[in-house]
Amino acid sequence: AQTVTQSQPEMSVQEAETVTLSCTYDTSENNYYLFWYKQPPSRQMILVIRQEAYKQQNATENRFSVNFQKAAKSFSLKISDSQLGDTAMYFCASTSGTYKYIFGTGTRLKVLA
Amino acid sequence: DARVTQTPRDKVTEMGQEVTMRCQPILGHNTVFWYRQTMMQGLELLAYFRNRAPLDDSGMPKDRFSAEMPDATLATLKIQPSEPRDSAVYFCASGLQVGGRETQYFGPGTRLLVL
Repeated sequence: AQTVTQSQPEMSVQEAETVTLSCTYDTSENNYYLFWYKQPPSRQMILVIRQEAYKQQNATENRFSVNFQKAAKSFSLKISDSQLGDTAMYFCASTSGTYKYIFGTGTRLKVLA
Repeated sequence: DARVTQTPRDKVTEMGQEVTMRCQPILGHNTVFWYRQTMMQGLELLAYFRNRAPLDDSGMPKDRFSAEMPDATLATLKIQPSEPRDSAVYFCASGLQVGGRETQYFGPGTRLLVL
């Protein structure tokens, strides 16, 4: 069975600094996809970044990048130049290509002014 | 900027009342998901539709919940009768499933409070 683990319930970072959120997963599938979603206080779930397991290159979206370590089954999210608007709950998720997404329990990130 | 829309944004109702939540998926998407989010359980998948057909509703309490897609632009989730334990945020998400690849895009959610 697929599992997704986020071991950091809460984190904080100073504005303009860099922060890394951890995520580990377990799957027996060879072809799968990994995601980071952001849920700000407005509660909208927003797709931040997506990684396809067969791609070796780490995905990047502006200030957001991932460190995908396939052998270690690790998928961390790095936020550079943190902004106050990055304050949110961050969920890591995986899918093996079926419709079922497995979500982690989330990491609450607070960006401090 | 295509988005999933959901109505109502917030709903307060009394136990026993019927609740209907609506979702408009992104135009061109062929899959729709309904999730429930609570502090205790996190995100739970309630139902999944592909090309308007319900493929999985195993996450829904069958006696009180129902989900439908009357057309490609509308998905509904009904609770009848509602109970206090149904209080949660309900999310709709849509996606385009092609060759096993899919990314879900979420709506803003409906916060339901059953008194």
